[in-house]
Amino acid sequence: AQSVTQPDIHITVSEGASLELRCNYSYGATPYLFWYVQSPGQGLQLLLKYFSGDTLVQGIKGFEAEFKRSQSSFNLRKPSVHWSDAAEYFCAVGRRDSGGYQKVTFGTGTKLQVIP
Amino acid sequence: GAGVSQSPSNKVTEKGKDVELRCDPISGHTALYWYRQSLGQGLEFLIYFQGNSAPDKSGLPSDRFSAERTGGSVSTLTIQRTQQEDSAVYLCASSLVAGLDNQPQHFGDGTRLSIL
Repeated sequence: AQSVTQPDIHITVSEGASLELRCNYSYGATPYLFWYVQSPGQGLQLLLKYFSGDTLVQGIKGFEAEFKRSQSSFNLRKPSVHWSDAAEYFCAVGRRDSGGYQKVTFGTGTKLQVIP
Repeated sequence: GAGVSQSPSNKVTEKGKDVELRCDPISGHTALYWYRQSLGQGLEFLIYFQGNSAPDKSGLPSDRFSAERTGGSVSTLTIQRTQQEDSAVYLCASSLVAGLDNQPQHFGDGTRLSIL
């Protein structure tokens, strides 16, 4: 079964500093990988996704993520954090089940706090 | 509509009562997913629909939970005889087609359910 680990429950960074959120997955084949962001009281918004090809993926809001097969990781990065980036971030892995359904497993999330 | 719409946004009810949660997906999206998000947890998959059919109900936690979708559009998630452990945010998502790998899921803002 696939699984996703986000080892950092809570991260605090200063505004303008760089950010890296860690995500490790467990899955036998090449997974489909996603990062979502959730602001308080809202649903999840897709930041970026990786299916194949270039392992460095660009997303919205200046985020990027790099797929590293050897490390089973898909870490999310941003060069300079803005106060509006404070939110909870979820890594997710998808796969096709026998019925052709893309089943997505989410990590437990990392809460990002941005301080002035 | 423009996005996934869920109602009510908040629901407080007494233990033992039945509740119905509604999800109106993005127009044209044939796949619809229900997740549960408990405090400090990731997203727990409950059920998905492709059209009006539910090929995967494996995530429903007990027989008190049921869901239906009619007309390939609106879906309702029903919880009978609610228990305090049912308290959570219930998120709905939709995508164009469940089996297409490059179709991300678009989320609603969720229904926050509190069982007293």
